[in-house]
Amino acid sequence: GAGVSQTPSNKVTEKGKYVELRCDPISGHTALYWYRQSLGQGPEFLIYFQGTGAADDSGLPNDRFFAVRPEGSVSTLKIQRTERGDSAVYLCASSPGTNGELFFGEGSRLTVL
Amino acid sequence: SQQGEEDPQALSIQEGENATMNCSYKTSINNLQWYRQNSGRGLVHLILIRSNEREKHSGRLRVTLDTSKKSSSLLITASRAADTASYFCATVTTGTASKLTFGTGTRLQVTL
Repeated sequence: GAGVSQTPSNKVTEKGKYVELRCDPISGHTALYWYRQSLGQGPEFLIYFQGTGAADDSGLPNDRFFAVRPEGSVSTLKIQRTERGDSAVYLCASSPGTNGELFFGEGSRLTVL
Repeated sequence: SQQGEEDPQALSIQEGENATMNCSYKTSINNLQWYRQNSGRGLVHLILIRSNEREKHSGRLRVTLDTSKKSSSLLITASRAADTASYFCATVTTGTASKLTFGTGTRLQVTL
């Protein structure tokens, strides 16, 4: 497709379980971002990739959160031992370069029961 | 953490009126961007203004930037019901390698 694709669109899990969220960016975009958005709030930065490497992971809240982008395209956000406070919409965005506009996916809504 | 604060938090106007939203931020920036988000959907980029620019236009949108006051405004002229959405400002702080930090957003409601 032409846009950023995120799967699953909805994920319901139980406290303590492991979750993976996938992002397929726009073809050719070198920069990829993960954000988390809680209800009524703005997106909160988690991590930014330039190519395969994490250029800035300062937004990851703790070591339960990890993200990879092994081939510089698709990225996976991994959350271990999920907690109820992890419930949010996780947004992925990509960009063709630096300091420019971001193209967002529709998000993955995570609910931890 | 949120960089920007949008003002007002919520705005309700009638179709045809103009809507003005303000954004304040805290750091030195490379550029400032405005995004729109319909309920339950992803964000859509509206306009980007660089730190050395003071005003920019795109269709019915007008953005101003005052770096001395660390503030920006977004004006939507002749609003339509379809403009109903949340609007966010976002900044790229100088030296942070493209990390885009969002504000808290303004919820705009345009009624017929």
